[in-house]
Amino acid sequence: ETGVTQTPRHLVMGMTNKKSLKCEQHLGHNAMYWYKQSAKKPLELMFVYSLEERVENNSVPSRFSPECPNSSHLFLHLHTLQPEDSALYLCASSLYRGDTEAFFGQGTRLTVV
Amino acid sequence: EDKVVQSPLSLVVHEGDTVTLNCSYEVTNFRSLLWYKQEKKAPTFLFMLTSSGIEKKSGRLSSILDKKELFSILNITATQTGDSAVYLCAVGGGSSNTGKLIFGQGTTLQVKP
Repeated sequence: ETGVTQTPRHLVMGMTNKKSLKCEQHLGHNAMYWYKQSAKKPLELMFVYSLEERVENNSVPSRFSPECPNSSHLFLHLHTLQPEDSALYLCASSLYRGDTEAFFGQGTRLTVV
Repeated sequence: EDKVVQSPLSLVVHEGDTVTLNCSYEVTNFRSLLWYKQEKKAPTFLFMLTSSGIEKKSGRLSSILDKKELFSILNITATQTGDSAVYLCAVGGGSSNTGKLIFGQGTTLQVKP
């Protein structure tokens, strides 16, 4: 256990559905991240939040909408996704923005049908 | 463009062998290089390297960074089947100081009994 918890672990959704991924950390970290891991591709950074403020959006399509209501929780709201969005979505946290020692959650395996 | 390249992409060895995994990088504003082990979903942290020439060790694993030649190696001695995993190299840096990690493609290691 890394101290970063993601739910659900698996999600299957249709292209017209709306769903949300949740990430929670109780490590006292101030920065949280969403990464995407597609088959045979490196992990790609999607969003960075520091103290609930979004500090980086790595050219992610608007069908992915992050939300960080407090420094312990991070959501990724999904709507009208495409089959190519199927991937493992990993949440991570680090003590401070700019601190690169990140701890990862178990991920949500998303399948878009 | 920032990039991290790992080699080999995959490796099959027998228990007791020693393996060396490579990671080279071209990243602006380099801050640190990290190694992660990913068995099923969550990458688990192994090492963070910031200074050249200083070896970090944890049991049978060790790693070293060369900031002049822009690479790192991860050594695993006396491999065991439990070492089978994807090993990820990530570099902290990039143009924004947000804790962004740039990942390599990973090396898939299979240790046979």
